[in-house]
Amino acid sequence: SQKIEQNSEALNIQEGKTATLTCNYTNYSPAYLQWYRQDPGRGPVFLLLIRENEKEKRKERLKVTFDTTLKQSLFHITASQPADSATYLCALGNTDKLIFGTGTRLQVFP
Amino acid sequence: KAGVTQTPRYLIKTRGQQVTLSCSPISGHRSVSWYQQTPGQGLQFLFEYFSETQRNKGNFPGRFSGRQFSNSRSEMNVSTLELGDSALYLCASSLEVGAHYNEQFFGPGTRLTVL
Repeated sequence: SQKIEQNSEALNIQEGKTATLTCNYTNYSPAYLQWYRQDPGRGPVFLLLIRENEKEKRKERLKVTFDTTLKQSLFHITASQPADSATYLCALGNTDKLIFGTGTRLQVFP
Repeated sequence: KAGVTQTPRYLIKTRGQQVTLSCSPISGHRSVSWYQQTPGQGLQFLFEYFSETQRNKGNFPGRFSGRQFSNSRSEMNVSTLELGDSALYLCASSLEVGAHYNEQFFGPGTRLTVL
């Protein structure tokens, strides 16, 4: 069955460093991959979408890569700030639905 | 523009009862998707509605159903509630059909507790 893996353990980094979150998947061939941010008690907020034929996408301090050979996406936040602390979800989409990973909690400390 | 709104925000029901949740999408958005979020299973897709028609469906039993009205507002119904239905139910809207390739805007969710 389709499986999406994100680091279940929290990622703790110091302010100013680059945070790198991983999303691995198996038994699936997504055409699209999305990243969302979710804060406690709130719904997810869309960050970036990347297509299978795109290797990399950037938006301000965010960068996403999509390697269909490795079946992996990396999500980078450069110059991280305490306000970036949240849970980050990757979601894979194909022809009919979106499948979410369980998310990685990022904690940026001063 | 107002965001996606969901009502009620919190709900407590007992096993065997049924529940209806409501979602108002962002003005101009015609697609509404529903998700269930639990600590164990994460965020799981329930279904997507566009132009009052269900376009895609996740792997949930028939107890979960929904509908969309002509003004794009949507309702989700769960019948014969079970303890395992306790979850945060999230609604998301997008301009066009296709949650898998469109930016989705999520509401704050309805927290359902089944006792």
